[in-house]
Amino acid sequence: DQQVKQNSPSLSVQEGRISILNCDYTNSMFDYFLWYKKYPAEGPTFLISISSIKDKNEDGRFTVFLNKSAKHLSLHIVPSQPGDSAVYFCAANGGSNYKLTFGKGTLLTVNP
Amino acid sequence: GAGVSQTPSNKVTEKGKYVELRCDPISGHTALYWYRQSLGQGPEFLIYFQGTGAADDSGLPNDRFFAVRPEGSVSTLKIQRTERGDSAVYLCASSTAGGPYEQYFGPGTRLTVT
Repeated sequence: DQQVKQNSPSLSVQEGRISILNCDYTNSMFDYFLWYKKYPAEGPTFLISISSIKDKNEDGRFTVFLNKSAKHLSLHIVPSQPGDSAVYFCAANGGSNYKLTFGKGTLLTVNP
Repeated sequence: GAGVSQTPSNKVTEKGKYVELRCDPISGHTALYWYRQSLGQGPEFLIYFQGTGAADDSGLPNDRFFAVRPEGSVSTLKIQRTERGDSAVYLCASSTAGGPYEQYFGPGTRLTVT
């Protein structure tokens, strides 16, 4: 039972354009959401997060949008750069132990 | 400052053997987590420590897996009687407290059971 779903295994965009990565969740107890980026042979690197009391959080080129009624969040990267090519994981937590539940990831390729 | 470190980076062992994987969290981080990532999947939660105690070990797959954090800093994940299905990347993460804060991950230990 996948509580966090990333339905697109891969995404390819041109350098300078917008990348939009999507994530859906099923557990209503989730109240904090995070995006991680992962390069091969490295651990996940934290990118940006959002609390359920907000619907948008922005950090430089990265913006996360949260739609609680649809149980959907998205990560926008503008403008996309070749160095952004990596696997992006959506993660969520809720409850007292703050363990993260991850999606399966989306491989983003930004072409020069 | 130093990030989360994990040793060894790679471990190959024979089926049935015992292995220990070590995690050194970011200094001052009281919360420590272990996750396991199999090919094509996201990381899956194994165990959470707040200080020295295991606050939640609900993700450990069976009693062959055990973890300790005796002094509230370094943690060791121990796997007895390894099986081929234990092959995965084992990730450790730490955060400033057991709260909705960002978790910072180490590079992982790739375990291969032959």
